Amino acid sequence: AQRVTQPEKLLSVFKGAPVELKCNYSYSGSPELFWYVQYSRQRLQLLLRHISRESIKGFTADLNKGETSFHLKKPFAQEEDSAMYYCALNTNAGKSTFGDGTTLTVKP
Amino acid sequence: EAGVAQSPRYKIIEKRQSVAFWCNPISGHATLYWYQQILGQGPKLLIQFQNNGVVDDSQLPKDRFSAERLKGVDSTLKIQPAKLEDSAVYLCASSSELDSYQETQYFGPGTRLLVL
Repeated sequence: AQRVTQPEKLLSVFKGAPVELKCNYSYSGSPELFWYVQYSRQRLQLLLRHISRESIKGFTADLNKGETSFHLKKPFAQEEDSAMYYCALNTNAGKSTFGDGTTLTVKP
Repeated sequence: EAGVAQSPRYKIIEKRQSVAFWCNPISGHATLYWYQQILGQGPKLLIQFQNNGVVDDSQLPKDRFSAERLKGVDSTLKIQPAKLEDSAVYLCASSSELDSYQETQYFGPGTRLLVL
């Protein structure tokens, strides 16, 4: 069975500092990976997905199949990045599995 | 386009009572998901529909939970009878392609259930 692990429940950085949110997965097939974000009092929404290979709001994520990781990175964190971040995996059968999330706080 | 709609937004019931949640996905979206999110955890998939057929319900506690998606549009999730451990946020999501492997999911605001 597939599994997504986000090892940090809480992450706090200062504004302007680099930030990395970790995501590790286990799945025997070829996964499709996503990062979703939930800002305060908003619904869960897509931040970025592996297949698009794009940068959203300055965030990027690289799939490392050797390390089975999909870490989310941003070189200079902003206060508005404070939110809950979830890593998610879709199997090729379309089943979705989410990690337990990381709460990012960016301090002024 | 209008987003995924869910109702009610909040519900408080006593254990052993029944409760139902409703979801209206984005128009034209073939795939609909129900998730349970317990406090401090990520969303856990309960059931996934493609049109009005069930794709995956392996994590749905079928002795008390049921879901249907009539006519391949909106959906209801029911709990009967509820237990204390069912207290959670129930999220509905939809995606646009029949092949949900690569598709983005669009989430509703959720229904927060408290079982006393």
